[in-house]
Amino acid sequence: NAGVTQTPKFRVLKTGQSMTLLCAQDMNHEYMYWYRQDPGMGLRLIHYSVGEGTTAKGEVPDGYNVSRLKKQNFLLGLESAAPSQTSVYFCASTKGPNTGELFFGEGSRLTVL
Amino acid sequence: GENVEQHPSTLSVQEGDSAVIKCTYSDSASNYFPWYKQELGKRPQLIIDIRSNVGEKKDQRIAVTLNKTAKHFSLHITETQPEDSAVYFCAASKEGSNYKLTFGKGTLLTVNP
Repeated sequence: NAGVTQTPKFRVLKTGQSMTLLCAQDMNHEYMYWYRQDPGMGLRLIHYSVGEGTTAKGEVPDGYNVSRLKKQNFLLGLESAAPSQTSVYFCASTKGPNTGELFFGEGSRLTVL
Repeated sequence: GENVEQHPSTLSVQEGDSAVIKCTYSDSASNYFPWYKQELGKRPQLIIDIRSNVGEKKDQRIAVTLNKTAKHFSLHITETQPEDSAVYFCAASKEGSNYKLTFGKGTLLTVNP
């Protein structure tokens, strides 16, 4: 099993450009999450999904959109990138009720110039 | 919402010494407290977790203690080794929150040979 896979791993954008980060998991997990990691800030939840076709806002959702059209995929979109969105983005998944462990992807480093 | 405070932000110990990282949480309804280890450039990985019906849990050289009354929990690493050097994150969540974890800001542990 590949676990949780994120693409791309690195991307440089100019302010105002758009892009999509793809997260794929092959563990049949129901719950999926997008976090951003900034120095000294820990991991902050952007959006999450509790199942195919569902999405919900996390702690820092502004400037991002998400979609979960297929159970195994969770997409994070930036419609108009801003320098404040320069960060490392982590996708994570978990099986669901009574199981707490999050399985993280390798991360995607995004730089917005 | 939940707020998790983590201390210290950096910790340097000599190989063989013990290391303790402390976290406090604000939401008394939180009942699940995991610890994640993130090596440089890698993804966070779960190392140990504890639920609110347990006061202490051990796994070889690592242990976690929970004080529900004081709303704090701690990670204890004994006989530290250089490979323990990493950033450690505590987190908290509560039943019914869709496993949304609120993370502390992290502790950079350096184990000096």
